[in-house]
Amino acid sequence: KQEVTQIPAALSVPEGENLVLNCSFTDSAIYNLQWFRQDPGKGLTSLLLIQSSQREQTSGRLNASLDKSSGRSTLYIAASQPGDSATYLCAVRGGAGGTSYGKLTFGQGTILTVHP
Amino acid sequence: DAGVTQSPTHLIKTRGQQVTLRCSPKSGHDTVSWYQQALGQGPQFIFQYYEEEERQRGNFPDRFSGHQFPNYSSELNVNALLLGDSALYLCASSLVPGSSYNEQFFGPGTRLTVL
Repeated sequence: KQEVTQIPAALSVPEGENLVLNCSFTDSAIYNLQWFRQDPGKGLTSLLLIQSSQREQTSGRLNASLDKSSGRSTLYIAASQPGDSATYLCAVRGGAGGTSYGKLTFGQGTILTVHP
Repeated sequence: DAGVTQSPTHLIKTRGQQVTLRCSPKSGHDTVSWYQQALGQGPQFIFQYYEEEERQRGNFPDRFSGHQFPNYSSELNVNALLLGDSALYLCASSLVPGSSYNEQFFGPGTRLTVL
């Protein structure tokens, strides 16, 4: 059974800091990994998708890395802004035996607060 | 390009009632997945529909059922509602499951409150 853990559960930083969010998963046989952002009471916005064969993806101030063999991913946010305040969720699409072929398994998220 | 849409936005029901939630996938997508997100938790996979059939199911009871229509839109039905069914229900769409590039796009969700 795939399990996803995100550390830390919550993070509060001053504006302008660079920060790292961590995600780990137990089954390395994944197809891909997605990072999402969720504002309170809202749906999920996809930030980055990393295929299992890739090591990292970048979009603007965001950089996500993937170390499949060790079951880890990090989301790096550069020069954080108050508008980055949200919950960040990591999710993996597992490939073990096809039983997890389509579904995403999520972590519980990291609540990020960036204060001015 | 319209993204994933869901209706209704909010819903209040009482225990024992039945509810139907609706989802229209992103243009060009043919696969719909449903997730339940309890407060403070990550989303949990309910099931996935492709070609009008349930292809994969998470650990949810038979009270949760679904349907996919020929236009790829989908419904989630929950019977005999329990207080614990109160949650944000999220719909996600993607390309055919076999696609190697399978990014899932989520709708805004339906907030269900069971009293």
